[in-house]
Amino acid sequence: ILNVEQSPQSLHVQEGDSTNFTCSFPSSNFYALHWYRWETAKSPEALFVMTLNGDEKKKGRISATLNTKEGYSYLYIKGSQPEDSATYLCAFEDSNSGYALNFGKGTSLLVTP
Amino acid sequence: DAGITQSPRHKVTETGTPVTLRCHQTENHRYMYWYRQDPGHGLRLIHYSYGVKDTDKGEVSDGYSVSRSKTEDFLLTLESATSSQTSVYFCAISEGTGPGGYTFGSGTRLTVV
Repeated sequence: ILNVEQSPQSLHVQEGDSTNFTCSFPSSNFYALHWYRWETAKSPEALFVMTLNGDEKKKGRISATLNTKEGYSYLYIKGSQPEDSATYLCAFEDSNSGYALNFGKGTSLLVTP
Repeated sequence: DAGITQSPRHKVTETGTPVTLRCHQTENHRYMYWYRQDPGHGLRLIHYSYGVKDTDKGEVSDGYSVSRSKTEDFLLTLESATSSQTSVYFCAISEGTGPGGYTFGSGTRLTVV
C-alpha cells in the first residue's frame, strides 16, 4: 500500500478566492501522479497526469505542479467559483501493481457566493 | 463513460447473501480495477486484473473475490455480504501502455441491510 496524503481535508472559501491543496506521495519508484475532480455519485473526472519532475499543467483556472524528488504536488485554483465545489483527489500510479491508482482521501472544497 | 458500463447501478441485499457486480468494457483494455468509495476514505482498490484470468489483490480485498474469464468482463463478488460492505463501487479500465488513460464507470451503489 502506497501512502498518499492530501491536505487540507476540507476547505471553505468565498467566490473569487484563490486556493491550493497539497498531495504528498512516495518519492521512490515514481511513475505518474494524477489529479481528479470528483462530485458525489459521479465518476471521477481526470484533471491532470504528471510524470516529470518540475511538470506544470494548466486547465483554465486550475493548475498543478509536481516535485518528484521530494514527493509532493500542488493543485491551484485561481478565482474560485461555486461550480468548483467538489472533492479533489490525487492518485499515485503504481507501476508495480498493475498500474493501479492509489488515491489520497481527497480535499473537499466548498465555494460560497 | 463511453466504453465501460457497470451493472447493476443500485442494489439492496441482505446480510449473508452473495452479490456479484459486473464491469463490462468495449475498449479491449488490458487492465481493469475495482474500487470502493466511502466517506473519508477516497477511493480504495479492492482487486485488479492485468489480463484474462490474471488478477491480484488490492488494499481492501478481504471479503471480495473477482473473476475475469474474458477481456471485456470483470466481476466482483461479495461472498457473504456484510453491512460494512455498503458502499459505492467503481470500476475502471486502463490500456496500461503509458501513464494515464483511465476511464471510470458510473458506479454501483450497494446497500447491505
